[in-house]
Amino acid sequence: AQSVTQPDIHITVSEGASLELRCNYSYGATPYLFWYVQSPGQGLQLLLKYFSGDTLVQGIKGFEAEFKRSQSSFNLRKPSVHWSDAAEYFCAVGAGSSGDKLTFGTGTRLAVRP
Amino acid sequence: KAGVTQTPRYLIKTRGQQVTLSCSPISGHRSVSWYQQTPGQGLQFLFEYFSETQRNKGNFPGRFSGRQFSNSRSEMNVSTLELGDSALYLCASSLGVANNEQFFGPGTRLTVL
Repeated sequence: AQSVTQPDIHITVSEGASLELRCNYSYGATPYLFWYVQSPGQGLQLLLKYFSGDTLVQGIKGFEAEFKRSQSSFNLRKPSVHWSDAAEYFCAVGAGSSGDKLTFGTGTRLAVRP
Repeated sequence: KAGVTQTPRYLIKTRGQQVTLSCSPISGHRSVSWYQQTPGQGLQFLFEYFSETQRNKGNFPGRFSGRQFSNSRSEMNVSTLELGDSALYLCASSLGVANNEQFFGPGTRLTVL
């Protein structure tokens, strides 16, 4: 069964500092990996996705993520955090050709210090 | 292009009642998935419908059911509501083919008293 682990429940960074959110997955085949962001009272917005190819993927809002098969990781990064990035971030693994079922991690809540 | 819409946005029900939530996908999308989000369990997959057929199902009791209409709109139903069913219910739509991005709606906040 597929699973996702986000080891950091809560992270606080200063505005302008770099950010890395950790994600480890367990999946038997080639994983389809996603990062979503959720602001309070809102749905989920896709930041980026990895299906195959280049292991460094670029997303919206200046985010990027690197797929490392040997470490079963898909960490999200941003070089300089803005106050508007404060939100909850979810890593997810998809079922691929079997359909749209996503398995989510427990999320990391990001706070940005002025 | 309009996004995924969910109605109603908020609902208050009492234990034992049943509830129906509605989701209208993005035009042209054939797959609709439902998720439950709670502080304790996080985001959990309920089921996915594609071309009016349930394609995937999560580990929820039979009180949770859904359906999809020919225009791809979907409804989910929860019967005999329990306090633990209080949650944000999110709907997502996609084209329904492999490697597809899912677009999420704003959710329906269900409170069971």
